[in-house]
Amino acid sequence: GAVVSQHPSWVICKSGTSVKIECRSLDFQATTMFWYRQFPKQSLMLMATSNEGSKATYEQGVEKDKFLINHASLTLSTLTVTSAHPEDSSFYICSARGPSPVDTQYFGPGTRLTVL
Amino acid sequence: AQTVTQSQPEMSVQEAETVTLSCTYDTSENNYYLFWYKQPPSRQMILVIRQEAYKQQNATENRFSVNFQKAAKSFSLKISDSQLGDTAMYFCAFMKTGANSKLTFGKGITLSVRP
Repeated sequence: GAVVSQHPSWVICKSGTSVKIECRSLDFQATTMFWYRQFPKQSLMLMATSNEGSKATYEQGVEKDKFLINHASLTLSTLTVTSAHPEDSSFYICSARGPSPVDTQYFGPGTRLTVL
Repeated sequence: AQTVTQSQPEMSVQEAETVTLSCTYDTSENNYYLFWYKQPPSRQMILVIRQEAYKQQNATENRFSVNFQKAAKSFSLKISDSQLGDTAMYFCAFMKTGANSKLTFGKGITLSVRP
């Protein structure tokens, strides 16, 4: 139980284009999801907290207009990287607050984004 | 604000032996949770073990156990009978209780298990 999926697992795009990453909780409903960014050999950096039916809460320094987050249902949150540039290349990971215990986050497998 | 410190960037252990990964944290909260997550080369984050601060008993999950010292704000992970599949990056994380709480991660430690 408590499985989280992400799609796509990897994506390559040209500079200036937008990319959408989906995060789904497969066997439970998640009112809260989180989006992280991770550089190689480094820790996870929280970008934003996504709550179903409301606007996402972004961490300080994260550009809201560049990283659009939508949590339209209890099982789906999306992250759209708008007008992507090479510096946006990274590993993006989502997580969902679990069904039980509710204080535990379960993570998706991550999406590797490469912007050319 | 909470901080989580993992001071050892890398460790190595022989297969079948025991290794302990250190973690300290700083908080003014009394009620919180502590976690160890594992990130193998696949980069999938996997929950290893979870500890509730109000519980004095140390959490155990098969070969994984913790030494939780609340007064010292220490939360170390012991891996017994190390296996090659334990090779991964390990992250210690803190989360206070509450609906809007979020994880604070340490920098992580890279563990290599030698055959």
